[in-house]
Amino acid sequence: GNSVTQMEGPVTLSEEAFLTINCTYTATGYPSLFWYVQYPGEGLQLLLKATKADDKGSNKGFEATYRKETTSFHLEKGSVQVSDSAVYFCALFSGGYNKLIFGAGTRLAVHP
Amino acid sequence: NAGVTQTPKFRILKIGQSMTLQCTQDMNHNYMYWYRQDPGMGLKLIYYSVGAGITDKGEVPNGYNVSRSTTEDFPLRLELAAPSQTSVYFCASNVGLLGTGNSGANVLTFGAGSRLTVL
Repeated sequence: GNSVTQMEGPVTLSEEAFLTINCTYTATGYPSLFWYVQYPGEGLQLLLKATKADDKGSNKGFEATYRKETTSFHLEKGSVQVSDSAVYFCALFSGGYNKLIFGAGTRLAVHP
Repeated sequence: NAGVTQTPKFRILKIGQSMTLQCTQDMNHNYMYWYRQDPGMGLKLIYYSVGAGITDKGEVPNGYNVSRSTTEDFPLRLELAAPSQTSVYFCASNVGLLGTGNSGANVLTFGAGSRLTVL
């Protein structure tokens, strides 16, 4: 079945460091891909998305490119801030059930 | 515009007790969902609804029930609480079918979550 695999956390970085959080997926067809972010004590919110191969989603300095050849959607940011500390979830849309399938989440901690 | 509101935020139950997690959205969204989040396991879909009067099971529906009498409300009921139901529960909604050309339809709006502990 469809699934999403994320790198395990926690990821601990110093401020202004480069961030990569890996995400790979297994799916039939051409799923839409998403990154959601969960700040402490809050619900998930959409960070960015891509709906077809080679699309690049971007928001708040974060980017992810839909790579069908490697079935990946890695999240990157060039210079992280303390305020980026959160849990990041990769997800794909599963057609036919109108639902998102989530990865396990990756906790990011950014220190000054 | 409050978005998706869940109550309570925290609850401790004894084994065998029952309770209802409330979820209300004020965005006139047709689709609503209940997820549970277990540590290191991501989110699992419990139940979802595509409109008032219509509900369907997700991946992990056992031990739960839902109803959708209005567009706004989608309560989740636990009839006989078990320790395995200790989790954080999230309600979410979206306007329509994910993956359609309407970009708004692809976005789920989540509530802040309800942390439930069963002892």
